[in-house]
Amino acid sequence: AQSVTQLGSHVSVSEGALVLLRCNYSSSVPPYLFWYVQYPNQGLQLLLKYTTGATLVKGINGFEAEFKKSETSFHLTKPSAHMSDAAEYFCAVTQGGGTYKYIFGTGTRLKVLA
Amino acid sequence: NAGVTQTPKFQVLKTGQSMTLQCAQDMNHEYMSWYRQDPGMGLRLIHYSVGAGITDQGEVPNGYNVSRSTTEDFPLRLLSAAPSQTSVYFCASSLGLAGPTGELFFGEGSRLTVL
Repeated sequence: AQSVTQLGSHVSVSEGALVLLRCNYSSSVPPYLFWYVQYPNQGLQLLLKYTTGATLVKGINGFEAEFKKSETSFHLTKPSAHMSDAAEYFCAVTQGGGTYKYIFGTGTRLKVLA
Repeated sequence: NAGVTQTPKFQVLKTGQSMTLQCAQDMNHEYMSWYRQDPGMGLRLIHYSVGAGITDQGEVPNGYNVSRSTTEDFPLRLLSAAPSQTSVYFCASSLGLAGPTGELFFGEGSRLTVL
């Protein structure tokens, strides 16, 4: 069965500092991996996704993530945090190609300190 | 440019009452799904559908029913509400007949309180 683990339910960074949100997955077949962001009182929206090909993927708002099969990880990074990055971030995995279940992690709430 | 529309946005029920959360999408997506979001538990899949007339259970289906009579609509029914069903519910859809390898598009959520 697939699963996703997000380390750290709350992360605080200073404005301008590196953002690193951790995601590890478990999947018996090659996964498709996603990061979504949720702003207060809104639905989720896609930040970036990995399906096949290049393992370093770039998303919106300066975020990127690297798929590391050997470490079963898909950590989200941003070189310089902005106040507007404060939100909750969710990692998700699906197998695709006939398997229709997206499995989400428990989320990491990012706080950006002035 | 509506995307995924959920109604109602807020609802208060008494234990034992029934209700339906509505979800409609105008993107001609084959795949639709319902999630519940609870603090510290992320999003958990309730039910999903890969096309009209086809539905299947997710992680937490008990107490909920769904149907998919059209491509556009995917209502979620609570048969006899319980306090444990107090949550925020999200409907999400995706394009793809061969499996959702693409983006999930989410509604804005429906906040349900069961007293």
